[in-house]
Amino acid sequence: EAQVTQNPRYLITVTGKKLTVTCSQNMNHEYMSWYRQDPGLGLRQIYYSMNVEVTDKGDVPEGYKVSRKEKRNFPLILESPSPNQTSLYFCASSSWTGTYEQYFGPGTRLTVT
Amino acid sequence: AQSVTQLGSHVSVSEGALVLLRCNYSSSVPPYLFWYVQYPNQGLQLLLKYTSAATLVKGINGFEAEFKKSETSFHLTKPSAHMSDAAEYFCAVTSLSNTGKLIFGQGTTLQVKP
Repeated sequence: EAQVTQNPRYLITVTGKKLTVTCSQNMNHEYMSWYRQDPGLGLRQIYYSMNVEVTDKGDVPEGYKVSRKEKRNFPLILESPSPNQTSLYFCASSSWTGTYEQYFGPGTRLTVT
Repeated sequence: AQSVTQLGSHVSVSEGALVLLRCNYSSSVPPYLFWYVQYPNQGLQLLLKYTSAATLVKGINGFEAEFKKSETSFHLTKPSAHMSDAAEYFCAVTSLSNTGKLIFGQGTTLQVKP
C-alpha cells in the first residue's frame, strides 16, 4: 500500500530537549516536505527536499532542521524545542511527474511545555 | 505572493442540504488546485484536483468543484450533505516558484446538523 508514515503520532516534551520526528514514504517520490498546522493558519511549509541531499527552507524554518540521506526518509529535527513549536506536523511527498499531488502522513501532534 | 482564501472558517448545514465551500486563489497563471479533507485526528486526504483538463472536477464522496478562471475561484460543492461529511476542508494551490509546495487556505470546518 502506497503511504507516508510518521512517528511518533503524539509527543509531549519539555523545552530544550532535542527530538526527531521520522517520516518515510514507499512511493519512490522525489519531493518531500514538512508542514505545520495551526488553527486559523492552515498548513505552512517548514522545509522541503527535492531529492537526496537537496533540502531548502520553506516559509517557517526557524527552529527546525532536516536531512535527506535516503530517498524514502525525511526526518524533522527540533534541536531545542520551544512552546511556540507546539503544533500538528505533517510530512508529505510527491512526484515530479504528473500533477504534483501531495500524499500526506497521518500527522504528529507535538506539545512542548 | 500567491495566496488562497477560504471564505468562512465555519460552515453549518443540515443533513441533506447543499454544501458550498468557497475558495479563491491568486495566481498569474492557471495553477494546479486541490481540495483536501481532514477528519478528526487524521491526516489530509485528497478530495479532488484541477489540472487544466476540465473545469468541472468530480472527486470522491460525491464532491465536485468548478474552476472559474475569470473569478479565480475553485468552490467545492456537494448536492446533499451527510453526517459523515463533517470535517475540516482545505483548498490548496501549487506554488509557481516551487511546484512541490502547496499553498493552503486557512481551512473551513463543516458542521452537519441532523
